[in-house]
Amino acid sequence: GESVGLHLPTLSVQEGDNSIINCAYSNSASDYFIWYKQESGKGPQFIIDIRSNMDKRQGQRVTVLLNKTVKHLSLQIAATQPGDSAVYFCAENPGSEKLVFGKGTKLTVNP
Amino acid sequence: EAQVTQNPRYLITVTGKKLTVTCSQNMNHEYMSWYRQDPGLGLRQIYYSMNVEVTDKGDVPEGYKVSRKEKRNFPLILESPSPNQTSLYFCASSLSNEGGQFFGPGTRLTVL
Repeated sequence: GESVGLHLPTLSVQEGDNSIINCAYSNSASDYFIWYKQESGKGPQFIIDIRSNMDKRQGQRVTVLLNKTVKHLSLQIAATQPGDSAVYFCAENPGSEKLVFGKGTKLTVNP
Repeated sequence: EAQVTQNPRYLITVTGKKLTVTCSQNMNHEYMSWYRQDPGLGLRQIYYSMNVEVTDKGDVPEGYKVSRKEKRNFPLILESPSPNQTSLYFCASSLSNEGGQFFGPGTRLTVL
């Protein structure tokens, strides 16, 4: 069935280091993927998206990589800052009218 | 300011007492959706709406109703709330089902 998962539930990094958050998806028909950031007490916030006809997309300090062969998605955050501490979700659109969300990875940035 | 608003933000109620959580967006988005977020289970979709008068079930629709009489509003109705509906609820909207969704601030509901 459709599912989106994350390899690690928590990730701790030092301020200034690069962070990599991973996500595995199971539906090969998925053609659109999104990364969200959720800070404590707030709703998820859109970070970056990527379509299946792309392997890589860059934003400000963030890069999303898509490997369709192994159905893997990753979010790279450059020069991680304390304000990046949050839970990060990936979501996929498996060609239906709804998004399927992963369970999230909690990123903690240590000063 | 472009936003999705939800009311109330916090609600404590008792089993069986009907309640409505309102959701409104000012971005003229066609797609709106309700999610519940529970520890260890992530975000699960309750209902969604592709446009006015068009609604459909998500993954966990039991015990909930929605309506979409206007484009901007998408209320979530619990006719007879039960304790297992205690959760954090998010409303979201986007231009289409493929777009990045804008989320509201959340409504924390406790059913005693």
